[in-house]
Amino acid sequence: EAGVVQSPRYKIIEKKQPVAFWCNPISGHNTLYWYLQNLGQGPELLIRYENEEAVDDSQLPKDRFSAERLKGVDSTLKIQPAELGDSAVYLCASSLDGRAQETQYFGPGTRLLVL
Amino acid sequence: GNSVTQMEGPVTLSEEAFLTINCTYTATGYPSLFWYVQYPGEGLQLLLKATKADDKGSNKGFEATYRKETTSFHLEKGSVQVSDSAVYFCALRSDRKLSFGAGTTVTVRA
Repeated sequence: EAGVVQSPRYKIIEKKQPVAFWCNPISGHNTLYWYLQNLGQGPELLIRYENEEAVDDSQLPKDRFSAERLKGVDSTLKIQPAELGDSAVYLCASSLDGRAQETQYFGPGTRLLVL
Repeated sequence: GNSVTQMEGPVTLSEEAFLTINCTYTATGYPSLFWYVQYPGEGLQLLLKATKADDKGSNKGFEATYRKETTSFHLEKGSVQVSDSAVYFCALRSDRKLSFGAGTTVTVRA
């Protein structure tokens, strides 16, 4: 069974440029998460989707970040414009549903470097 | 709010040594507790979990027991191998949110 797929794996951009990350969750998983992982820290939730609905986006910096999951499967996370402080790893995860005991499966992440 | 505090690294061990990584948490209600592992160049993988007090999670020789009285979920392995070199994250799940500790880097030398 394929795991969570993310692309690109690495991205280098100059500040003020836009950037987008793509995630394909495990087949059949209704819940999708985007996390931000800064160097030397644990992941922090940015947004959680239940199917195509964003049910928790309280930690998403909405002035520059946006996300979508139009058909309840793949998702895209966008930053526009990027800032130096956005350099981090962006992780996507999925689970069957959002229940408390449900295991989240993580993708390999996209490592972003903003110059 | 919910938070997880885990032992700072890095931790360097010799093969076959005993490993303990301390993890304590603060949460309202009754969270589920997890250990995730991140091998070099890979994504986070669930190592083990426990969903209620006194539960013991185990996998690949690792164990952790959910201790409500001490709000702890320490990770242990009796005899580590070079292949256990990774970053280990303690996490709790409450209100459908997963909160992670900062991670502990473990290096096992042959």
